[in-house]
Amino acid sequence: NAGVMQNPRHLVRRRGQEARLRCSPMKGHSHVYWYRQLPEEGLKFMVYLQKENIIDESGMPKERFSAEFPKEGPSILRIQQVVRGDSAAYFCASSPTLTGAGKDGYTFGSGTRLTVV
Amino acid sequence: KQEVTQIPAALSVPEGENLVLNCSFTDSAIYNLQWFRQDPGKGLTSLLLIQSSQREQTSGRLNASLDKSSGRSTLYIAASQPGDSATYLCAPRGGTGGFKTIFGAGTRLFVKA
Repeated sequence: NAGVMQNPRHLVRRRGQEARLRCSPMKGHSHVYWYRQLPEEGLKFMVYLQKENIIDESGMPKERFSAEFPKEGPSILRIQQVVRGDSAAYFCASSPTLTGAGKDGYTFGSGTRLTVV
Repeated sequence: KQEVTQIPAALSVPEGENLVLNCSFTDSAIYNLQWFRQDPGKGLTSLLLIQSSQREQTSGRLNASLDKSSGRSTLYIAASQPGDSATYLCAPRGGTGGFKTIFGAGTRLFVKA
């Protein structure tokens, strides 16, 4: 049973380009969470998605950032017109159904390290 | 809004010591609490998950306790080893703000051989 798969592992973008980060949850998990970790800082919540729904996007910057989790395929975190301050590690986690929230923890992927040059 | 504080921020100990890492959180209406380990430049590995109805969980040399009403959790590491060197993260899930998990800044542990 493969874990949470994130790709690419490393991504280099020039300022102004778009970055697309992908996350495939564990089999049987229908909830996905994105976190950002700036250098030497803790993990900051960005967005929580269920298939075809955004449940909580309270941590998403108001501009340039968007996320989706389509019915088919991986969850995508998209950053438009990247700036140097977007350089960070972006982690995805997944969990089983919402009704299991009291019992289920998160499983994390290995992250995508974005470098903006 | 959930806020998580971990003390100490950093810890350096000789091999063999027993350790206690502390975590406090402001919103006690949580579903569960996880402790994670993160090695430099790597992802997060789940160590222990404590349900809101539980008081503690044990795995090998690790023991985590939860006092939900007072908003505290501790991670106890017995007989520390150099391989335990990593950052340890406390992560309560849920609260009045919803189902997401909020992370503390972590305790950076270094165990000297």
